[in-house]
Amino acid sequence: DVKVTQSSRYLVKRTGEKVFLECVQDMDHENMFWYRQDPGLGLRLIYFSYDVKMKEKGDIPEGYSVSREKKERFSLILESASTNQTSMYLCASSHPSKGQETQYFGPGTRLLVL
Amino acid sequence: AQSVTQLGSHVSVSEGALVLLRCNYSSSVPPYLFWYVQYPNQGLQLLLKYTTGATLVKGINGFEAEFKKSETSFHLTKPSAHMSDAAEYFCAVSAGNTGKLIFGQGTTLQVKP
Repeated sequence: DVKVTQSSRYLVKRTGEKVFLECVQDMDHENMFWYRQDPGLGLRLIYFSYDVKMKEKGDIPEGYSVSREKKERFSLILESASTNQTSMYLCASSHPSKGQETQYFGPGTRLLVL
Repeated sequence: AQSVTQLGSHVSVSEGALVLLRCNYSSSVPPYLFWYVQYPNQGLQLLLKYTTGATLVKGINGFEAEFKKSETSFHLTKPSAHMSDAAEYFCAVSAGNTGKLIFGQGTTLQVKP
């Protein structure tokens, strides 16, 4: 079974703090993704990565950065957390298959910024 | 560019009734289409997907969806709802060959006893 794990299920941070969200997958997938999920907006792509040390901006990258130093690990960084970054964050991974690939999701991290 | 619209943010059915969740897409290329389900406090998991071939796609837990090109639709159905089907459902379209997905807004399914 594919397993995608996220470092925390719930996180409470203060405005201005630097926040790290970690994601690890165990299926040697090349592709990894970070989304945020908000009610009524579905999932929106923040960043994705096709390979180690490669990253591309998604639809809403402002206020976020990412790091992929190892194939299995993809980190999302909030440089200076703000209240409008309170959300559910979902990590996913997939093996490239010309658009037909299934994405496998972690359980999510619910972040509250006070 | 691709986009997805799910009609109805909340759908409520009685146990044993037909489930119909609506999804319409827009795509400039032949689409690959997906339905994912999210149970409470969990991540998303794949229900079914359409890539090529048969337009009626069967998925897990008795769900199926039909790709209708003329209507640009990919509606999800299940003949008889179970209480365990209560969840949020997301329709998605593949953004070309990039591996990225474009998700709809989601539909919350409530199943009443």
